Amino acid sequence: EDQVTQSPEALRLQEGESSSLNCSYTVSGLRGLFWYRQDPGKGPEFLFTLYSAGEEKEKERLKATLTKKESFLHITAPKPEDSATYLCAVQAEGGTSYGKLTFGQGTILTVHP
Amino acid sequence: DAGITQSPRHKVTETGTPVTLRCHQTENHRYMYWYRQDPGHGLRLIHYSYGVKDTDKGEVSDGYSVSRSKTEDFLLTLESATSSQTSVYFCATRGLAGATYNEQFFGPGTRLTVL
Repeated sequence: EDQVTQSPEALRLQEGESSSLNCSYTVSGLRGLFWYRQDPGKGPEFLFTLYSAGEEKEKERLKATLTKKESFLHITAPKPEDSATYLCAVQAEGGTSYGKLTFGQGTILTVHP
Repeated sequence: DAGITQSPRHKVTETGTPVTLRCHQTENHRYMYWYRQDPGHGLRLIHYSYGVKDTDKGEVSDGYSVSRSKTEDFLLTLESATSSQTSVYFCATRGLAGATYNEQFFGPGTRLTVL
């Protein structure tokens, strides 16, 4: 069974204080790993897809990296507007092609000014 | 971003009543999904559709049914709502084309309360 564990559950940072969020996964074969951002009362917003170990993607202050067992979302010099819940999901190889995603429970990030 | 709307956005209903939630997309995406999000469980797949009139069950499908008569619309029905179905429901789509062929894009959600 595919599993995704995100840590920490909650993270409080001061503005400008860089840090990382972790997503550990267990999957028979990884087709893709996805990061989403979710603001309160809204749907998840797609951020990145990573497909193979060693791959990195960046967007503004965010950089996502992937190894064979985990992914990190690095946040450089965060601002209060980066406060949100960050969700990680994996898609396994094989099986049907409907794109089943297994989600972690998310990390709640709060950035204080 | 995929143009996805959900209706209603909020609903309060009573146990035993039928409820239908609607998802509408303007991107002509082939795949559509219904998820529920609950504290401690994250997002879980209820049902999905891979084309008009083609649907299948997800991991938490008991008590739910779906229909897709047009590419743009995907309906989720609770035949007889129970308090355990109180949740936030999200619709998502996947296009299988272009640079974002594998990503799922989510709607704004419907908050359902069953009393």
